[in-house]
Amino acid sequence: GQNIDQPTEMTATEGAIVQINCTYQTSGFNGLFWYQQHAGEAPTFLSYNVLDGLEEKGRFSSFLSRSKGYSYLLLKELQMKDSASYLCAVRDSNYQLIWGAGTKLIIKP
Amino acid sequence: SQTIHQWPATLVQPVGSPLSLECTVEGTSNPNLYWYRQAAGRGLQLLFYSVGIGQISSEVPQNLSASRPQDRQFILSSKKLLLSDSGFYLCAWSVGDSSSGANVLTFGAGSRLTVL
Repeated sequence: GQNIDQPTEMTATEGAIVQINCTYQTSGFNGLFWYQQHAGEAPTFLSYNVLDGLEEKGRFSSFLSRSKGYSYLLLKELQMKDSASYLCAVRDSNYQLIWGAGTKLIIKP
Repeated sequence: SQTIHQWPATLVQPVGSPLSLECTVEGTSNPNLYWYRQAAGRGLQLLFYSVGIGQISSEVPQNLSASRPQDRQFILSSKKLLLSDSGFYLCAWSVGDSSSGANVLTFGAGSRLTVL
């Protein structure tokens, strides 16, 4: 079967750095997405990786290793507003999105 | 700019009652439209998607149905709700072929359904 694994919950301190991991086993690979979802709200797009390596976008970076079936989202200079769930999703060989259950990130002052 | 509207935001319905959730997109033509359900502790589950008027693909057999009467309108319906239909329903849109580039999904604000 197809599976996306990410930690259920993480806690970090304001101003610090946190890395949220995502591992996947899917039928083929056509890109990996990270979305941010604040409680009770819609997910919003953060990043897209299709080739190995690091994609940087301001305070957020996303890394992909296709050979390892692994990605991480790196958040720097954490702010209280970064408290949210972070969803990892992989597009498989049929171009269907497979979603992880999300990682709830709690930021403490 | 493109916007997506989804309503109602919340609703509480008795078991066996009908359901209608509506989603409209503005500022784009011929979008791909999606209905997802999000259950606590689980990944987003694709329920239906549509690449054009009257074209609906169902991903999960259930007592829900979807319709696309107009290019930018997508409706999720049920004739008789079950307790298990409770959840957070999200409409989304994208443009272009899903095999081309990122094909990012943009989500509506969601509809919280509680079936009692």
